[in-house]
This record gives sequence, C-alpha cells and structure tokens, in this order.
Amino acid sequence: QSALSQPRSVSGSPGQSVTVSCTGTSSDVGRYDYVSWYQQHPGKAPKLMLFEVTKRPSGVPERFSGSKSGNTASLTISGLRTEDEADYYCCSFAGSNNFVVFGGGTKVTVL
Amino acid sequence: QITLKESGPTLVRPTQTLTLTCTISGFSLTTSGLGVGWIRQPPGKALEWLGIIYWNDDKRYTPSLRNRLSITMDTSKNHVVLTMTDMDPVDTGTYFCAQRLPFWSSFLELGFEPWGQGILVTVSS
Repeated sequence: QSALSQPRSVSGSPGQSVTVSCTGTSSDVGRYDYVSWYQQHPGKAPKLMLFEVTKRPSGVPERFSGSKSGNTASLTISGLRTEDEADYYCCSFAGSNNFVVFGGGTKVTVL
Repeated sequence: QITLKESGPTLVRPTQTLTLTCTISGFSLTTSGLGVGWIRQPPGKALEWLGIIYWNDDKRYTPSLRNRLSITMDTSKNHVVLTMTDMDPVDTGTYFCAQRLPFWSSFLELGFEPWGQGILVTVSS
C-alpha cells in the first residue's frame, strides 16, 4: 500500500478540467512544500509535470497546475486533451525517516 | 542533453542478488547538488522509491528495504549501481533510475527528471 492516497481514476471530456488529489500526513505532504507530480503513459517512463507543489518544468503546458491544502495536494488539468490520458503519480519528501514517498497513482481518462 | 539508461539481468532467481547499472550522460556524478535515484514499479502497480546517491557519495534508502539495498557510483565510468540482495518474486518489476532535481542539500528531494527507460526484472525459478 502506497504512503500517499490517490483516487484510482478520474475522467473528463475534452476541454473540461479534472483534479487529482493526493492525501498524505503531517509528516510528508502537510509538512513540506516538496510535492511533485509525474505523468506516465503505458509502457513509458514517468515524466515530471510539477515540482514544489506549483512549479512547472520547462515544456510542461500551463494547463497543468498544482495546489496544496493541509495534508492534501492536488493536480488540476485544465482544457483536457486526449494526450493527457495517462497515469499520474504524486510524490512527496517525507523527512529523514521515509525520505521520499509516492502515491498509488490515478488513471486519468479522457472520455 | 541528459540521459540515463538502465542495464542488467532481466531474469533473476529467488534468493540471488540483483545488480543493475545506470549509465548517465550529459552531466557529472560529482557535480554539486546532483544525484541519481532508483525507483521501481511492479507490473500494473504504483511507483516505489528505493534510494538515492548524491554527488558527495551520501546515500539514502527506503526504510523497508534498507538492509537489502546498496547504491554505489563509479565516476570514471559514469555509472550508478544498484544492488539488491535476497531477491523474491515480489521484487519483480520495472526498475528506473532518474536524476534528482538539483539542490544544494542532500537532505531533501524536489523531484526526479529525467528518467531512464527502465528495465523489467523478473524474479522466478
């Protein structure tokens, strides 16, 4: 069982917005602003989409945004496109004991 | 351009030791602030962070596997090596290496990018 909890799946129609939640504890998501998000298409390596909760690496569309409230971080995809259909994983720094933890992953489906 | 590529055996017998190599290019393993992490993914399941080695040879491991894992680097070959002892069928999965986002401290992680393509390791007799 993964340390961070994510919904198994979310879906939306092209052009709509979807939000993926990532719930941790006061020892990881709640304590540090070091949450990152990864997109993974089938058979491919993960790709970093957001880091430090809200920052986008170069080349990631502005449609991808992040936020955090308490022990829950969120990834929002606005203006959903067919190529956004993939698995999304959250990740958080978790201090000196657990160090890095991942979520269980969420499958985003574009209807 | 920074690239990473995993190599090693794709089939390992139970109780054997797995040794995987991550060959990096486009950066130096000794550049301050950099590091290479290992992450694995059982078939159809979630990512699991295994550990990381830093530019200064500092290392961190996930607590549940700390007694089975070792990460080393060979700067002359631009290699990072993951060793996992006492392999079990539950260790079957794709193993990825990835570069950490640069940060001056080896005491926290911002994220990982880019990633290698991954290597599928099957543990079976």
